[in-house]
Formats: sequence, C-alpha cells, structure tokens
Amino acid sequence: GNSVTQMEGPVTLSEEAFLTINCTYTATGYPSLFWYVQYPGEGLQLLLKATKADDKGSNKGFEATYRKETTSFHLEKGSVQVSDSAVYFCALTSSGNTGKLIFGQGTTLQVKP
Amino acid sequence: GAGVSQSPRYKVAKRGQDVALRCDPISGHVSLFWYQQALGQGPEFLTYFQNEAQLDKSGLPSDRFFAERPEGSVSTLKIQRTQQEDSAVYLCASSLDLSSNTEAFFGQGTRLTVV
Repeated sequence: GNSVTQMEGPVTLSEEAFLTINCTYTATGYPSLFWYVQYPGEGLQLLLKATKADDKGSNKGFEATYRKETTSFHLEKGSVQVSDSAVYFCALTSSGNTGKLIFGQGTTLQVKP
Repeated sequence: GAGVSQSPRYKVAKRGQDVALRCDPISGHVSLFWYQQALGQGPEFLTYFQNEAQLDKSGLPSDRFFAERPEGSVSTLKIQRTQQEDSAVYLCASSLDLSSNTEAFFGQGTRLTVV
C-alpha cells in the first residue's frame, strides 16, 4: 500500500542554518506530494505541494522537488528562523480522485537563536 | 471567513462512555475528512464524505466508531464505549472537492483522553 517515511526528529538547528528534512514515499500510480506544518497550538497548514514528477513546490523560503526516480520529496530551506520551529509532515494523495492524505510520522524542528 | 472549527477542543471520557466530536467545515466545502493522530505520530485517515455521502470509511478502527454528515455540512464523529486506546487527537479537514491535489484545511482538533 501507499506509505510515507520521514527522517526522525527532533532536528535542532541554529538560526540561519540550512535545513533538510528527508521524505520518501511508496505509492502506486502518480501521487501528489505535500508538506504540512503544525505550529505550536495551531492546526495543520499546507506549506507546499507538487503534483507531478520534477515539479518544485515552494513557499515561505521552503522548497521541495518531486523526484520520481528516487521516490523522494525532501524539504529544504536555506536559512531557518526561530519562527520556523514546528512539526513538519510529509504526505501524499493517491492518483485516484479521493483527496485522502497519507502522512509520515512528522519531524519536529527546533530553531535556536 | 472562518476556518474549520472543531468542538470540544478537549474531552476527558471515562472508559465505556460514549462521546461525540463535532466538525464545522469551511462553508461550501464539498469534502470532509476525519483523521486520528496518536501522540508523536502522523494523522491517520478514518473516513471521508462528499456532501452527505460517506464514500470511504475504511479507516474506522472498529464498529464503535461512527461518523455522519446528514446535511452535507456539519459532521459528527461518535465513539461508543470508549477504550483507552481511543485516546488521541481527532482532526477534521475540509476541501473544495475530492481532487487529489486540492488543499485540505484542518481544524485544531479534539484531544480525547480516555481514563
């Protein structure tokens, strides 16, 4: 079945450091890929998405590229801020027309000043 | 406009008690999803609706779990005879349609603790 695997956290970085959170997936067909973020005390929010191979999603300085050959969708940011501290979830929807999300287990990012 | 609203935010239930969790989706959103999130884990799919029709309930863990959306707007997730393993955050999400690349908007969740 479809699944998503993320690197385990927590990830602790200093402000302005480079961030990578790894995400790999297993899916049949052509899934859409997403990164959701959960800030402390808030609900899940869509951060970025990519709907086909080689697409790059980007938002708020974060980027992720849909790599079909490596079944990956790694999240990157060149310079993190304290306000980026949150839990990040990689997710996919199957190519069928359902919108049902399959999530990874989440990666906690802590950014220290 | 308002986002997805869930109530209550917190619920403590004694084992064996029935609970009802409410979700108010964004107005006009056709699709509504319920997820269960255990501590330290990602959300797991429970069920979804297109308008009032429940199209997939394959994620409901047992027949003690029941969801409805009778008028195609507000939805209720009911858990009968709660057990300790039901303790989790229950998330509701809505989206404009059922397309696989449409953004889902999430509520803040209801944290259920069964004691």
